[in-house]
Amino acid sequence: ETGVTQTPRHLVMGMTNKKSLKCEQHLGHNAMYWYKQSAKKPLELMFVYNFKEQTENNSVPSRFSPECPNSSHLFLHLHTLQPEDSALYLCASSQTFPSPGVYNEQFFGPGTRLTVL
Amino acid sequence: GENVEQHPSTLSVQEGDSAVIKCTYSDSASNYFPWYKQELGKRPQLIIDIRSNVGEKKDQRIAVTLNKTAKHFSLHITETQPEDSAVYFCAASKTPAGGTSYGKLTFGQGTILTVHP
Repeated sequence: ETGVTQTPRHLVMGMTNKKSLKCEQHLGHNAMYWYKQSAKKPLELMFVYNFKEQTENNSVPSRFSPECPNSSHLFLHLHTLQPEDSALYLCASSQTFPSPGVYNEQFFGPGTRLTVL
Repeated sequence: GENVEQHPSTLSVQEGDSAVIKCTYSDSASNYFPWYKQELGKRPQLIIDIRSNVGEKKDQRIAVTLNKTAKHFSLHITETQPEDSAVYFCAASKTPAGGTSYGKLTFGQGTILTVHP
């Protein structure tokens, strides 16, 4: 599959479970992002990785732990989540340029629909 | 940090009418403003974007205008069609510190557009 893929597409977990979300991009991009999309709320940026280095952590609770082993893969490790963490988790990627002023389209994956019981 | 407000939250039009969605932003340093369309159950996709050195940009039936002084930008869709029905998100970003360019976007709350045949 081309573009940005995410697995699993749906996940139901209990509050005591540990699970991981996976994102893979096949676009040769260097920046990857995790977003949370809840009903009636804007897309919330969670983490940004640029060349495998975390550059943004938007005050995300420690029960969400990202990992970026290389520029093509991004994981979100989940543990002891709360019911309010139920949402659509979107991964995105974009190119990075060494110069300012060049803006790049973010390509989104299909998302993982997470339900925490 | 940046704050983006989007209005209206819902918009219902008849096929063939025009639709306008407006966004305001708070950070005067923001210089890139993309618009994303998210159809039901699908991923957000970029439909048009504008940089701060441009006041208006058109692409067929869609256009975006930017007023830097007032810190607002708008999406205009003319001759709407039922397939335009979706959630539309505006976003704003600025060049990150350090000079490299990748897209840390702050999104608006979204507008649910419904086009009635």
